[in-house]
Amino acid sequence: DTEVTQTPKHLVMGMTNKKSLKCEQHMGHRAMYWYKQKAKKPPELMFVYSYEKLSINESVPSRFSPECPNSSLLNLHLHALQPEDSALYLCASSQGRGQETQYFGPGTRLLVL
Amino acid sequence: QQPVQSPQAVILREGEDAVINCSSSKALYSVHWYRQKHGEAPVFLMILLKGGEQKGHDKISASFNEKKQQSSLYLTASQLSYSGTYFCGTGTGNQFYFGTGTSLTVIP
Repeated sequence: DTEVTQTPKHLVMGMTNKKSLKCEQHMGHRAMYWYKQKAKKPPELMFVYSYEKLSINESVPSRFSPECPNSSLLNLHLHALQPEDSALYLCASSQGRGQETQYFGPGTRLLVL
Repeated sequence: QQPVQSPQAVILREGEDAVINCSSSKALYSVHWYRQKHGEAPVFLMILLKGGEQKGHDKISASFNEKKQQSSLYLTASQLSYSGTYFCGTGTGNQFYFGTGTSLTVIP
């Protein structure tokens, strides 16, 4: 099973809302990632959890808050987002040993009004 | 730190070949190649871990020139299913960067 699942597939939220994106994998991977992808652009790495330890991209605003309840689950909590945060949010996982394949989920398409 | 890809876009007829290049201003220790179809997630194609390495499966192959900090993806006898955006990627852990992307369209 090489599947990474993400919910919801689509999300529309207002700038005052609080919502969460969820990601799950059952491949025994120890690294999980959140990426943000704008239209016609490459994915940009936001956060990495490796063996439950968080690595932060310093340029990510604090209105994005990641959480890793266990090695199979990854959440991204959203609060007070801006319209420019509208994008495809991709979750990925890998074995966690370094330079290895990342397996991507189908993504959550987020629209902030 | 983001690798630069060329060309930005290419249109091929079925059966034609294409080469996509990926260049980095920093040392490359490994290169990943992914393909993303419109509205879908990136799908892993292959990874090259050391200079001089070449890999391939089906009619898609890649090479890695560590000294030149470059990698190339070769698509031969292209099929309609090859259409999509191709990204190279490099880095480890919390410093992984996708390249600028190459849009490839195969037409009948």
